[in-house]
Amino acid sequence: GENVEQHPSTLSVQEGDSAVIKCTYSDSASNYFPWYKQELGKRPQLIIDIRSNVGEKKDQRIAVTLNKTAKHFSLHITETQPEDSAVYFCAAGGSARQLTFGSGTQLTVLP
Amino acid sequence: DVKVTQSSRYLVKRTGEKVFLECVQDMDHENMFWYRQDPGLGLRLIYFSYDVKMKEKGDIPEGYSVSREKKERFSLILESASTNQTSMYLCASSTGPPRGYNEQFFGPGTRLTVL
Repeated sequence: GENVEQHPSTLSVQEGDSAVIKCTYSDSASNYFPWYKQELGKRPQLIIDIRSNVGEKKDQRIAVTLNKTAKHFSLHITETQPEDSAVYFCAAGGSARQLTFGSGTQLTVLP
Repeated sequence: DVKVTQSSRYLVKRTGEKVFLECVQDMDHENMFWYRQDPGLGLRLIYFSYDVKMKEKGDIPEGYSVSREKKERFSLILESASTNQTSMYLCASSTGPPRGYNEQFFGPGTRLTVL
């Protein structure tokens, strides 16, 4: 089955700096890559996703890049703000009809 | 707004008890999922269902079963609870065909403690 590895497990950045979270996947048939944000005590929510026919997608301060050859994708957050502090999960979806999630990254934005 | 609700936020059970966790969604979604969330392990899929009375095993189905008698309701059953099933349980739902991935909407979670 699919295996998704996510790094780093924790990340601290100064407010205003950029944050990058990286994920690799194993199933070359995977074609859908969402990112979910989970604030403390709350449910995960989708923040951005990308499909395999696109290399990059941007939504305001958030961008995701996908390299299908290398089987990795990344989340980029620019101009970080305190409200960006949360746990971020990447996931990959392919032929198995299910999403496989990474282990999560705790992002802390320091004021 | 999509609303996914779970029957309990916190639950404490004894080893060997049969435990029912219920999830209800109000947006007529075809697909429903049960995950467990543990620190450092992310979200792991237990079971999912893409239609009434249909179910498929996820990555960690052992010790669990599910029931989907109505489209809006998906139940997770722990036949005989064990301490290693202490965890946060998250339900989710999504629309669309099984192979056409769409956003999953999560419930608030049930924190289950098995003593």
